[in-house]
Amino acid sequence: TQLLEQSPQFLSIQEGENLTVYCNSSSVFSSLQWYRQEPGEGPVLLVTVVTGGEVKKLKRLTFQFGDARKDSSLHITAAQPGDTGLYLCAGVGNEKLTFGTGTRLTIIP
Amino acid sequence: KAGVTQTPRYLIKTRGQQVTLSCSPISGHRSVSWYQQTPGQGLQFLFEYFSETQRNKGNFPGRFSGRQFSNSRSEMNVSTLELGDSALYLCASSLKLAGGFLGDEQYFGPGTRLTVT
Repeated sequence: TQLLEQSPQFLSIQEGENLTVYCNSSSVFSSLQWYRQEPGEGPVLLVTVVTGGEVKKLKRLTFQFGDARKDSSLHITAAQPGDTGLYLCAGVGNEKLTFGTGTRLTIIP
Repeated sequence: KAGVTQTPRYLIKTRGQQVTLSCSPISGHRSVSWYQQTPGQGLQFLFEYFSETQRNKGNFPGRFSGRQFSNSRSEMNVSTLELGDSALYLCASSLKLAGGFLGDEQYFGPGTRLTVT
């Protein structure tokens, strides 16, 4: 069974601060996706990383796929209240998506 | 282009009853996946349908079943409901197999909130 552990589970920081969310597994994935989910809505895809060591930037968000394709990180620079939400990583492998345990992020104005 | 729609949005059922949830994918999308989301277990994969065929199934009991129609619309059914089935059920559609080698971008619906009493 493939498992994806995210840390931290909860994170509450002040607007303007930087933060990093981690997604770790003992399994290798062919690709890894990051989603953000807001209350009352389904998750929305932010990025897909495919190659080991790959780094993708989306404005203030930086995503990295581990060299061994088992882990990933999401770094947010100068967090804003609009970044508040549930962040989910999802690994593609064994013909299905396995979602991580989630990180609930709150940015305090 | 209209997004993924799910009906109903909210549902209250009693233990032992059965329920059918519906999902209409984005036009042109052939894959529909279903997920169960709970505070304790997070988002768990139920099954994926592609061109009316179930392509993969998660670790859920046989009480959970689904199907896909020729127009790609999908339904999932839960029989003999248990209290633990209370959850947000999410449907997602994609052009290609979401669980394919590199996966494909999935678009999620808003979910159906099922409460079992």
